[in-house]
Amino acid sequence: QVQLVQSGAEVKKPGASVRVSCRAFGYTFNGYYIHWVRQAPGQGPEWMGWINPKSGDTNYVQKFQGRVSMTRDPSINTAYMELISLTSDDTAVYYCAKYGVSHYYMDVWGKGTTVIVSS
Amino acid sequence: EIVLTQSPATLSLSPGERAALSCRASQSVSSYLAWYQQKPGQAPRLLIYDTSNRATGIPARFSGSGSGTDFTLTISSLEPEDFAVYYCQQRSNWPYTFGQGTKLEIK
Repeated sequence: QVQLVQSGAEVKKPGASVRVSCRAFGYTFNGYYIHWVRQAPGQGPEWMGWINPKSGDTNYVQKFQGRVSMTRDPSINTAYMELISLTSDDTAVYYCAKYGVSHYYMDVWGKGTTVIVSS
Repeated sequence: EIVLTQSPATLSLSPGERAALSCRASQSVSSYLAWYQQKPGQAPRLLIYDTSNRATGIPARFSGSGSGTDFTLTISSLEPEDFAVYYCQQRSNWPYTFGQGTKLEIK
């Protein structure tokens, strides 16, 4: 069964950093980009960027440039998203997702990782 | 960045009725538009991609139409499980963007 399993919820203080993991099961990890999307409470989803698990190439949304880093470890089929210099505006659910086999839209999603930033 | 504006923000209907949800783009996205359904505490679920193609396992009562800047998601006869929040998303221009959502609630 194709699935993405994410790490557990995090509570961080302002100024700290957070790393979220996303482990892939049931498909060829190197075959599909991993996308990271976040959703603040009561808001629509927001794209953060993607990583090519095969090459390690990344593409970040400009808003997050300098604060986000997406990496991967192909040996354990896992992608990571690290966000630094957290503020309360970063409180959100963070999702990883992959495109479908026959289209370029996200049809497999992780369950999400809640990140709360609070002093 | 392409802004997607969804309307209405909330739509109140009864089971069995027809629902039409709108998504308008700030510039043309050609046919590169998708619709997702999201229920509380769950990740979004892909319903429609490239304007009018149903994703795997999506019932035929869901359909999509439009092109350029104006798009519509239609649910022909609402089932109880269809009451949720719906988002449109474009992949025409990076950064890819989502609308702010339409909440479909039971009347």
